[in-house]
Amino acid sequence: QKEVEQNSGPLSVPEGAIASLNCTYSDRGSQSFFWYRQYSGKSPELIMSIYSNGDKEDGRFTAQLNKASQYVSLLIRDSQPSDSATYLCAVREWDNYGQNFVFGPGTRLSVLP
Amino acid sequence: DVKVTQSSRYLVKRTGEKVFLECVQDMDHENMFWYRQDPGLGLRLIYFSYDVKMKEKGDIPEGYSVSREKKERFSLILESASTNQTSMYLCASSNPSGTGEQYFGPGTRLTVT
Repeated sequence: QKEVEQNSGPLSVPEGAIASLNCTYSDRGSQSFFWYRQYSGKSPELIMSIYSNGDKEDGRFTAQLNKASQYVSLLIRDSQPSDSATYLCAVREWDNYGQNFVFGPGTRLSVLP
Repeated sequence: DVKVTQSSRYLVKRTGEKVFLECVQDMDHENMFWYRQDPGLGLRLIYFSYDVKMKEKGDIPEGYSVSREKKERFSLILESASTNQTSMYLCASSNPSGTGEQYFGPGTRLTVT
């Protein structure tokens, strides 16, 4: 059973700090990784995707991938109260039918004013 | 801009009713997915479709069926609604070629009484 694991949190950080969210996955052959943000009562919103080892930056967000250690992380710089949400890590897998996605349980982030 | 729409944001149905949840995407994606999300259980895959008229069971297909007659539309059917099907239902679509990002609709909050 392919798994994606995340700390459920809540992770609390003060406004302006860096929030660090981590995710590990079990399938060493995975190639595509995604971070979603989900506000309470809303649907997941794609915020970052990463496919190669190293860092990928988009505004205040940086995704980091280390395939050898099978982990992917998301850094949020200058955290704002509006960043308070649950962050889902997802890994794209391939099976007999084509692609599928395995989601982690999500980490709840709380940014304190 | 990516767009996945769902027919209803909120729905209240009675036990035993047949329920139709509609999902439409305008991105010409081949793959479409239905998930349900419950507190503490995360996202669970109900059914997915890799192409028109093709469907595959996900992790929790019991009590559900699907229909995909056109590429842009994927319907979830609850044959006889039960109270344990009260949940948030999320539709998603993805293009399997290239980067393969998965995009979600706004969700349907279904309550079965």
